[in-house]
Amino acid sequence: AQTVTQSQPEMSVQEAETVTLSCTYDTSESDYYLFWYKQPPSRQMILVIRQEAYKQQNATENRFSVNFQKAAKSFSLKISDSQLGDAAMYFCASKSKTGETSGSRLTFGEGTQLTVNP
Amino acid sequence: DTGVSQNPRHKITKRGQNVTFRCDPISEHNRLYWYRQTLGQGPEFLTYFQNEAQLEKSRLLSDRFSAERPKGSFSTLEIQRTEQGDSAMYLCASSLRAGGREKLFFGSGTQLSVL
Repeated sequence: AQTVTQSQPEMSVQEAETVTLSCTYDTSESDYYLFWYKQPPSRQMILVIRQEAYKQQNATENRFSVNFQKAAKSFSLKISDSQLGDAAMYFCASKSKTGETSGSRLTFGEGTQLTVNP
Repeated sequence: DTGVSQNPRHKITKRGQNVTFRCDPISEHNRLYWYRQTLGQGPEFLTYFQNEAQLEKSRLLSDRFSAERPKGSFSTLEIQRTEQGDSAMYLCASSLRAGGREKLFFGSGTQLSVL
């Protein structure tokens, strides 16, 4: 079983500044994926960034990057040059890789509501 | 590509009534997932289809819940004898696995309120 914990229910950041959202997880799997999803008021979950656990290098997608600490089971999201459009609920999620051929469930954290102040 | 479509967007029902939600995935996607999201929480997995076959069901999917995906296209999620605890947003997602990488595309959900 996998569990994902986000200890920050709310965060705020000034426009153009940098913010880091925290996530810890627990899994008995040796290989897995980690994700950050964004859920704006439109309710549609949007993939922000993805990390494969066997890769040492931290994933980056434009202004979004992660700090993946496998031994500590930590997976934080850094948003640089924050924009008003980044305001949303952010969810950390994990997925086992053992279901590669048949698909497998995502396990989500509780979410962090990010506010971007102009 | 019109994305994943879910209908209705909102549903209000009385306790004990049956409700059915529909999900239309992206046309070429062979995988379809249902998740449930309660207020202030992250989504929880309910069930998953590959084409028309229902391959995995969560323990959350009690015998009052049934999901189908006839012909591997759209899917329906039915809740019988609704209870107030069923009030939640029901999310659908679809994907097409390619080269070992799977990217889920989510719909905007159906918000269910049971009075």
